[in-house]
Amino acid sequence: AQSVTQLGSHVSVSEGALVLLRCNYSSSVPPYLFWYVQYPNQGLQLLLKYTSAATLVKGINGFEAEFKKSETSFHLTKPSAHMSDAAEYFCAVTGNTPLVFGKGTRLSVIA
Amino acid sequence: KAGVTQTPRYLIKTRGQQVTLSCSPISGHRSVSWYQQTPGQGLQFLFEYFSETQRNKGNFPGRFSGRQFSNSRSEMNVSTLELGDSALYLCASSLGASGESGQETQYFGPGTRLLVL
Repeated sequence: AQSVTQLGSHVSVSEGALVLLRCNYSSSVPPYLFWYVQYPNQGLQLLLKYTSAATLVKGINGFEAEFKKSETSFHLTKPSAHMSDAAEYFCAVTGNTPLVFGKGTRLSVIA
Repeated sequence: KAGVTQTPRYLIKTRGQQVTLSCSPISGHRSVSWYQQTPGQGLQFLFEYFSETQRNKGNFPGRFSGRQFSNSRSEMNVSTLELGDSALYLCASSLGASGESGQETQYFGPGTRLLVL
């Protein structure tokens, strides 16, 4: 069985500040991990994915995430927030089952 | 390459009616998955089809059904609609089926927003 926990349903940062969105997973098999972003009234867009090739994964729009097996974490970061980053972010895990999503974290960026 | 398309984008129905939603995957993709997104429950997996066969099914009542055609296009049907079925229904496509290779990336369509009155 697999599960995802996203700490913080809402995160607020100032423009230019560091973005840190937390994701912890549980998986009985080696996991594949994803971060998706959803803008209002749109579907999900893939930001990045971890497939065991490298623990630090770089994605689109300046985002990256680091896989830490010992901490069962896959936190998403961006060095400098931009107003256009305001959206909802979902962490997801799979391995031998369909994608399991976290509840999502809404990111607000304050000017 | 065109992305995943879903039709219709918006739909209003009344309780007891049935509805059919359509999804056209990215060209060459053979797997289509459906998800229900609501504010309370988040994103929940409905079912997955690969090469016209249902491979996985989520924990939804039998009122929710789907199918996939030989061109990989998929439809989902909800019969006897209830107020709680109001949601954004998302379709995602991937080259292969989930479970066979966790590396398969799912690409999502814009969704169909269903409102049941």
